[in-house]
Amino acid sequence: GAGVSQSPSNKVTEKGKDVELRCDPISGHTALYWYRQSLGQGLEFLIYFQGNSAPDKSGLPSDRFSAERTGGSVSTLTIQRTQQEDSAVYLCASSFRGPPRETQYFGPGTRLLVL
Amino acid sequence: KNEVEQSPQNLTAQEGEFITINCSYSVGISALHWLQQHPGGGIVSLFMLSSGKKKHGRLIATINIQEKHSSLHITASHPRDSAVYICAVRSFPHLSIKAAGNKLTFGGGTRVLVKP
Repeated sequence: GAGVSQSPSNKVTEKGKDVELRCDPISGHTALYWYRQSLGQGLEFLIYFQGNSAPDKSGLPSDRFSAERTGGSVSTLTIQRTQQEDSAVYLCASSFRGPPRETQYFGPGTRLLVL
Repeated sequence: KNEVEQSPQNLTAQEGEFITINCSYSVGISALHWLQQHPGGGIVSLFMLSSGKKKHGRLIATINIQEKHSSLHITASHPRDSAVYICAVRSFPHLSIKAAGNKLTFGGGTRVLVKP
């Protein structure tokens, strides 16, 4: 079956521009996560959606970052006024029922480069 | 000190060798995950543990909750096992920080290279 998909796979943008990254989770998965992996760094939690509950935004690094999840399915991560330090791979993951004991399925990631 | 520490950072083995990767954490957890990140970047979940031991093929994961330590073992290693292996923990939610239970905290990863 289809896994988690993300688009675009690569994005190059200029400093100061806004970008939108998209995640299509596995159908039926109620939990959706966004992570960031900067060059040479470990994975970092950004935001978590579970069903219709308010999202856990505790990992977002600044107010330039926001995310939405429409209809409990597709999610969009938006970065406004991008900075060079935003360059990273942005990964989306979904799971059937959410924490604590879940298996997360990761998408291939979007590689963002801010010039 | 990071909440999740992995060792070694890098490991090179000859095909067929037994490999052990270690993960230590400093917080109370509800679950620990082992992930595999291939050279192309894709991440696959290998194990989710809350106690004891799990085995899948040539991979074995163990956890000691009292000692706050987990190990991932690869038996009869093969070049296709070359990847970064990442340990991640999920904290217990706290009364005042309920959201603490939502996120995974990741170790820095162990880069494994298995030579033919």
